[in-house]
Amino acid sequence: QQPVQSPQAVILREGEDAVINCSSSKALYSVHWYRQKHGEAPVFLMILLKGGEQKGHEKISASFNEKKQQSSLYLTASQLSYSGTYFCGTEWENYGQNFVFGPGTRLSVLP
Amino acid sequence: GAVVSQHPSWVICKSGTSVKIECRSLDFQATTMFWYRQFPKQSLMLMATSNEGSKATYEQGVEKDKFLINHASLTLSTLTVTSAHPEDSSFYICSAKQGAWETQYFGPGTRLLVL
Repeated sequence: QQPVQSPQAVILREGEDAVINCSSSKALYSVHWYRQKHGEAPVFLMILLKGGEQKGHEKISASFNEKKQQSSLYLTASQLSYSGTYFCGTEWENYGQNFVFGPGTRLSVLP
Repeated sequence: GAVVSQHPSWVICKSGTSVKIECRSLDFQATTMFWYRQFPKQSLMLMATSNEGSKATYEQGVEKDKFLINHASLTLSTLTVTSAHPEDSSFYICSAKQGAWETQYFGPGTRLLVL
């Protein structure tokens, strides 16, 4: 079952913040976040494991609430380079190597 | 960081021909490699999971006789699209990971156009 991502698309001005959510109907072991630019392969951003992790890299951070079976990706003071489609990928508990991508959230950052 | 390469980047072929795509993990040994297909403006759809030395596990709806996967070593997996047709035109992406609970690293993708 594919995780649900929201919103489907978002348009920001440079410097604005955005939150992208990823939720699952099944208990999650991990959530992986990727960004894909048009015509390119996805690039790994970060992985969050169950235990309620929060991680961050520069102005991009994420949280994982295993009770709610959801993860959120936070982009602060967005830059033009943040434009792309953000996918979450989820691994369910007890399913080991199974990995399912969400439908993606298209983010456009305008000058 | 972990680097995965794919070859070729672009393929244009006639309908009915077979196309082989290679996926290599350059600086790590990949216990598992994955093959995805992505149509324009859509998410990546997993086609199959392959472990070195064993048969690939195909997702529902993916024809194993049409999409042949060989995972001959810990650093190489190949996908062969047999008797390709225009509807097989897509962006094919492989990924690889070292261990069961690690993240996947993606190759740059291969664009296939079948005329």
